[in-house]
Amino acid sequence: QQQVKQSPQSLIVQKGGISIINCAYENTAFDYFPWYQQFPGKGPALLIAIRPDVSEKKEGRFTISFNKSAKQFSLHIMDSQPGDSATYFCAASIRGNKLVFGAGTILRVKS
Amino acid sequence: GAVVSQHPSWVICKSGTSVKIECRSLDFQATTMFWYRQFPKQSLMLMATSNEGSKATYEQGVEKDKFLINHASLTLSTLTVTSAHPEDSSFYICSVMGRDYGYTFGSGTRLTVV
Repeated sequence: QQQVKQSPQSLIVQKGGISIINCAYENTAFDYFPWYQQFPGKGPALLIAIRPDVSEKKEGRFTISFNKSAKQFSLHIMDSQPGDSATYFCAASIRGNKLVFGAGTILRVKS
Repeated sequence: GAVVSQHPSWVICKSGTSVKIECRSLDFQATTMFWYRQFPKQSLMLMATSNEGSKATYEQGVEKDKFLINHASLTLSTLTVTSAHPEDSSFYICSVMGRDYGYTFGSGTRLTVV
């Protein structure tokens, strides 16, 4: 019940395309859903996060879509660029408690 | 979110020695910090939750006598890998829980035990 399932494991997108990564969770007590971007040899950096009272949040080229009834949330990267090539992790937590991470998605944007 | 500094960024040590990794919250008094371990091409695995002024809470399967965590102040938590062995070689990352319950990660420490 504590798991967050992330897909796909890897993704190749053409420059300018849309990258879509999906996550699903079981624990309905989760109330914080962030997405992190990680480059090799670096710690994860917060991209965007959402709380369950909102169905969508957009920040620049990054959008989170959240479906509470389906217990799913996804990250959309619009106009994907080679610099977006990284590993992306979804996560979930109950306010003030530890983060539960998805397995990660390796994104490669081809120029 | 908080500003987090982790040091060192990489360390090589001999088998049997101990290594200390520091995690500092530079602009926020963090009562809670987290320590993670990450193997190549894998996700982050939570090792322990570090609470200021009290003992750390370790995740199941993590040896508390091997991975000593000290959170003696609101700005500093340390992870000491004791009697390190090659299988302890990994990427260790700390995280600070900020005032808005967001999480900021350090830049990570690459530990290589030879």
